[in-house]
Amino acid sequence: DAKTTQPTSMDCAEGRAANLPCNHSTISGNEYVYWYRQIHSQGPQYIIHGLKNNETNEMASLIITEDRKSSTLILPHATLRDTAVYYCIVRAYNFNKFYFGSGTKLNVKP
Amino acid sequence: DAGVTQSPTHLIKTRGQQVTLRCSPKSGHDTVSWYQQALGQGPQFIFQYYEEEERQRGNFPDRFSGHQFPNYSSELNVNALLLGDSALYLCASSPRTGSGDTQYFGPGTRLTVL
Repeated sequence: DAKTTQPTSMDCAEGRAANLPCNHSTISGNEYVYWYRQIHSQGPQYIIHGLKNNETNEMASLIITEDRKSSTLILPHATLRDTAVYYCIVRAYNFNKFYFGSGTKLNVKP
Repeated sequence: DAGVTQSPTHLIKTRGQQVTLRCSPKSGHDTVSWYQQALGQGPQFIFQYYEEEERQRGNFPDRFSGHQFPNYSSELNVNALLLGDSALYLCASSPRTGSGDTQYFGPGTRLTVL
């Protein structure tokens, strides 16, 4: 599985958009980009995933660059409850397991 | 629709003891994966069960073993506990419907080894 690089931490003002970057420069054609978040030692919560097209759901948007070497998770209107560690994961099509890195600690401030 | 459930929530054991953790997958899911999360780190893959067999395994010693039952629920067993086994143990389930299988995680079991 391709490795990912994320900033250690980020701050965001409540009500503003939070843009969390992820670098996955060694991603291969059959690998998906997944995003999870983990709030204070609870189980990781699935957010969104994509292969090459941009994706949007009720929680967030995922923007994947055309060369697929990086992506950005966008929380359109961050709230205090979005404070969490966000994990960007690359997973191969036929490998149903995830390699978690250290993630990005997002601090949403009032 | 119940999500992934795990029991117990917390557990305290002493070195050398054995422990069994339990997981019930989300309705409609038949694949269960186990992860270990040490404090301050991301989850690490232990192994995965499908059709009652271990299908994939991470870099964990044989002290870690598992089982999957016909109803798809699963157990994680750890023998000869070490202090370093103290961690949050996470269970995740997924449907084997082909590409893009998403794993859904339970709340975890916090194991403390004294």
